[in-house]
Amino acid sequence: GESVGLHLPTLSVQEGDNSIINCAYSNSASDYFIWYKQESGKGPQFIIDIRSNMDKRQGQRVTVLLNKTVKHLSLQIAATQPGDSAVYFCAETPGGGGGADGLTFGKGTHLIIQP
Amino acid sequence: DGGITQSPKYLFRKEGQNVTLSCEQNLNHDAMYWYRQDPGQGLRLIYYSQIVNDFQKGDIAEGYSVSREKKESFPLTVTSAQKNPTAFYLCATRSWAQNTEAFFGQGTRLTVV
Repeated sequence: GESVGLHLPTLSVQEGDNSIINCAYSNSASDYFIWYKQESGKGPQFIIDIRSNMDKRQGQRVTVLLNKTVKHLSLQIAATQPGDSAVYFCAETPGGGGGADGLTFGKGTHLIIQP
Repeated sequence: DGGITQSPKYLFRKEGQNVTLSCEQNLNHDAMYWYRQDPGQGLRLIYYSQIVNDFQKGDIAEGYSVSREKKESFPLTVTSAQKNPTAFYLCATRSWAQNTEAFFGQGTRLTVV
């Protein structure tokens, strides 16, 4: 995950367009990655996850891509809707199957939908 | 949400007071976590617990304390030693043995008055 303490970057997209949110991670040992969506005043909600033995995983309107070579994770949202407006966090956990130390979170991206 | 209940939703603390935030889960998860979130920022780990009667400091544990007397409960006390406690506090649980996602509560917003 990325360091915290910095202002969240913002991504503004037109309603109906596709959105791509990027995340860089630093731990080569990470083997499980998650994207969360957080609406204002609420707790983060799980969107989609991917394990390191995969490069791509698709859900409903969302796709996660993992590039282990450059330690990069992306979330693609198809046909962005007003309800997609939120802060999106990536999270990683190191290998070993346990992960009881918790997830390491990126600093997040604020997705704004323009009408 | 998702079997995790945080209370209260809003909490006001006077200078010098200790306050306790509640987190209860019915997901039967072993691991529980407390995160702090400041406006426009990400999540920072305060404390976590893998099993009952055991817990570990996270990145920003100073001024906080926890207990894990029951699997279902992981209360967080914000002590008077925490000089800047105003923040949004999030509790999460995880089945670490299965290495799956963490589930979050709806948060407690703490304000110092």
